[in-house]
Amino acid sequence: DVKVTQSSRYLVKRTGEKVFLECVQDMDHENMFWYRQDPGLGLRLIYFSYDVKMKEKGDIPEGYSVSREKKERFSLILESASTNQTSMYLCASSPTTREQYFGPGTRLTVT
Amino acid sequence: QKEVEQNSGPLSVPEGAIASLNCTYSDRGSQSFFWYRQYSGKSPELIMSIYSNGDKEDGRFTAQLNKASQYVSLLIRDSQPSDSATYLCAAPSGGSYIPTFGRGTSLIVHP
Repeated sequence: DVKVTQSSRYLVKRTGEKVFLECVQDMDHENMFWYRQDPGLGLRLIYFSYDVKMKEKGDIPEGYSVSREKKERFSLILESASTNQTSMYLCASSPTTREQYFGPGTRLTVT
Repeated sequence: QKEVEQNSGPLSVPEGAIASLNCTYSDRGSQSFFWYRQYSGKSPELIMSIYSNGDKEDGRFTAQLNKASQYVSLLIRDSQPSDSATYLCAAPSGGSYIPTFGRGTSLIVHP
C-alpha cells in the first residue's frame, strides 16, 4: 500500500511566521505535488517536483517555496504566513502511471 | 486552458440506485483518467483509473471513457449511504504528469 504522510493534521500559526509543511512518501515515486484546497475553488496546484532538487511552479506559487532534498520528502514553505493562506494543504505523490496518492492533509489556520 | 468539467451537484439518489457521475475534458491529448472519492474533511482517495475507450468495472464501480466525445463517467451500482462524498475527475494532459482536476460532484445517497 502506498503511504503518504504529512507532518501535521492541524496547525495554527501567526501572521508573518515562517511555516514548514513536510510530506513523506514510501513508494519511491518520482513525482510529488503540493495543493491547497478551498471551498468552491477545488484543488489548486502550488508546486510540483519530478525529481530530487527539481521543482516547477504550479498555478498559485506566490508566497510559497518548496524543497526536495531527498526523493521521499517534499517540503512546502510559507515564507511569511498570511491570513489568506489559511487552507487545507494536500501533498500527493505519483508514479509514472500518473495516478495520485494523497496524504491526509494539513489544515492550516493563520491568525 | 485545459479544463475538466463536472456538475457540482449535489446529486441525490436513493439507497440501492445507480449513481451516474459525469466529467468532460478539453485536452484531446489526455490519455489517462482518474476518479477520486473525497469524504468531507478528508483527502482524496483514488478509486478508479481508465486508459482506453469503453468500460472498466471494479466491484460496484464502473468507469466509462469515450475519447471521441471527450467524456468520462463513473457509475456506482447499489449505492450506499457510505458512498456519500465528493467525486473528483482528473485527467493529466498528454505527456504531462500534472493532472487537471474537476471541482467535483457531491453525491448524497439517502436511505
